[in-house]
Amino acid sequence: GDSVTQMEGPVTLSEEAFLTINCTYTATGYPSLFWYVQYPGEGLQLLLKATKADDKGSNKGFEATYRKETTSFHLEKGSVQVSDSAVYFCALSESAGKSTFGDGTTLTVKP
Amino acid sequence: NAGVTQTPKFQVLKTGQSMTLQCAQDMNHEYMSWYRQDPGMGLRLIHYSVGAGITDQGEVPNGYNVSRSTTEDFPLRLLSAAPSQTSVYFCATLKTNTGELFFGEGSRLTVL
Repeated sequence: GDSVTQMEGPVTLSEEAFLTINCTYTATGYPSLFWYVQYPGEGLQLLLKATKADDKGSNKGFEATYRKETTSFHLEKGSVQVSDSAVYFCALSESAGKSTFGDGTTLTVKP
Repeated sequence: NAGVTQTPKFQVLKTGQSMTLQCAQDMNHEYMSWYRQDPGMGLRLIHYSVGAGITDQGEVPNGYNVSRSTTEDFPLRLLSAAPSQTSVYFCATLKTNTGELFFGEGSRLTVL
């Protein structure tokens, strides 16, 4: 079956540091890939997505590129802020509605 | 802009009690689902529905029941609560043409 493996956390960075959260996946077909973010006390919300190989999703300074050859969708940001502190989930979807999530990576950014 | 609304936000139950978590949406999405979130285990799909009158099981359906009589509502019933059902529960809808899930704010359930 489908699976998503995320870099284990928690991750603690200083403000303005570079962020990478690794995500690799296993799927039988050609899934769409997503990053969701969960701020404290809230539900998940979509951060960015990519629907086919070599697509780059971007939003709020975050980027991720769909790499079919390495089955990866790593999340990056060049300069993190305290407000980026949250839990980040990598997810894939092969058929409408059936999404598979990673375990989540907690990011804490210190001033 | 209500989106996906879950109630209650917090609930404490005793083992063996039953309860219903409510989920309502105003986005006219056909697909709705329930997930549970446990530390270190990500989100796991409990049940889902592709439209009114249609429901199906997800990854962890045991101990839960659902029904979908309208497009707007998708309640999750715990028939006889167990401590293993202590978790945070999220309802989500799907925007079919983009694949994006929209989540409620969650319901934190503790079973003693």
